[in-house]
Amino acid sequence: DIVMTQSPDSLAVSLGERATINCKSSHTVMYSSNNKNYLAWYQQKPGQPPRLLIYWASTRESGVPDRFSGSGSDTDFTLTISSLQAEDVAIYYCQQYNGNPRTFGQGTRVEIK
Amino acid sequence: QVQLQESGPGLVKPSQTLSLTCNVSGASVSSTTYYWSWIRQPPGKGLEWIGYIYYTGDTYYTPSLKSRVTMSLDTSKNQFSLKLTSVTAADTATYFCVSERRTQPRRAFAFWGQGALVTVSS
Repeated sequence: DIVMTQSPDSLAVSLGERATINCKSSHTVMYSSNNKNYLAWYQQKPGQPPRLLIYWASTRESGVPDRFSGSGSDTDFTLTISSLQAEDVAIYYCQQYNGNPRTFGQGTRVEIK
Repeated sequence: QVQLQESGPGLVKPSQTLSLTCNVSGASVSSTTYYWSWIRQPPGKGLEWIGYIYYTGDTYYTPSLKSRVTMSLDTSKNQFSLKLTSVTAADTATYFCVSERRTQPRRAFAFWGQGALVTVSS
């Protein structure tokens, strides 16, 4: 199994400041046939299903604000919220879909400082 | 836009079988485009992928649950289903049905049901 490890487990950021979440995979999630990283980021608010924010490590899903961005390749990835808004308080998960079983990181809780 | 909705009992007794159905609209479960997955989330915890089924009826189950899981398609009703046998309190969770594209662009888990809380208790 590919193990996904996020850091930190939680962070508190002031409104308007940058939030950065890291995700590391135990094996590469790059698909060799097209050099795409099959790494996704999700946002989950209480009582709601997760919402896809980013796929292919850096492609923003339709409708996702551009303050959310993803970067990284191979085994190391980052989700950045450039200017934290109150509505961004949530738990964020990374997930690999390059192989089976699909696996998620443990989640990072983002709060307002 | 794919829409998914879970249904099934909210309470299951220990050692019995958990059964959930996912009704799909906006896409056909017979389509070659999608994997149809189940993901669960115990209260206050993270996400665990259970497995998927796709249009041929082929499945992949996560190894830790493989001996207890069965997924199936009902093309006449445009639904797919999950059965989990011999449940214990550790199976108490919100169960989500989810679609994942098999074809490009592969956007991971783009569409989710609202989730169904299943409690295992006598």
